[in-house]
Amino acid sequence: SAVISQKPSRDICQRGTSLTIQCQVDSQVTMMFWYRQQPGQSLTLIATANQGSEATYESGFVIDKFPISRPNLTFSTLTVSNMSPEDSSIYLCSVEGPGTPLHFGNGTRLTVT
Amino acid sequence: AQSVTQPDIHITVSEGASLELRCNYSYGATPYLFWYVQSPGQGLQLLLKYFSGDTLVQGIKGFEAEFKRSQSSFNLRKPSVHWSDAAEYFCAVGENSGGSNYKLTFGKGTLLTVNP
Repeated sequence: SAVISQKPSRDICQRGTSLTIQCQVDSQVTMMFWYRQQPGQSLTLIATANQGSEATYESGFVIDKFPISRPNLTFSTLTVSNMSPEDSSIYLCSVEGPGTPLHFGNGTRLTVT
Repeated sequence: AQSVTQPDIHITVSEGASLELRCNYSYGATPYLFWYVQSPGQGLQLLLKYFSGDTLVQGIKGFEAEFKRSQSSFNLRKPSVHWSDAAEYFCAVGENSGGSNYKLTFGKGTLLTVNP
């Protein structure tokens, strides 16, 4: 199965700033997804990162707040923009590809103060 | 829209006892079903998945799950729980959404505590 590396693993940020989270996979994958897990909650899909085109966002999530890049088949970034304490969550990257049915990275624990 | 219900928020079992975690789903077509485990401070690890075929699915760490279409259920089982199984367990259903078959909707999770 694919090995997924997320950076940073955790961060504490001030409100109003932005944080970019990186997701690197050790093999080419078809699909990459970004999820959010708010404290004590389940996971919610933010968007699907499409290689070579704009990301597809789920209801309640917008590109201005969560811009996503997918420059190639092994890498994606998620930026959390203009952060507020409500953005404090775990952000997880997941991938799907041949022989790789939806594995997740270890996540980025974000605290906004 | 698809949905997943995990009726038990928190379950406590003794080490060595059997375990069953419940999961019910709502989905119009044949579902893709998953169980994940999340240990404290960790990401999600895939335990097992059901796409088609045999309705009894074997996973890692001695877990299995049974797909019952008539009951819209995909319950997770383990015959003998180990202390290291203490974690949060998430059931998920995958949506066939065009280019990807695996846009997941998660249940709220079941926290498993294992007593010595």
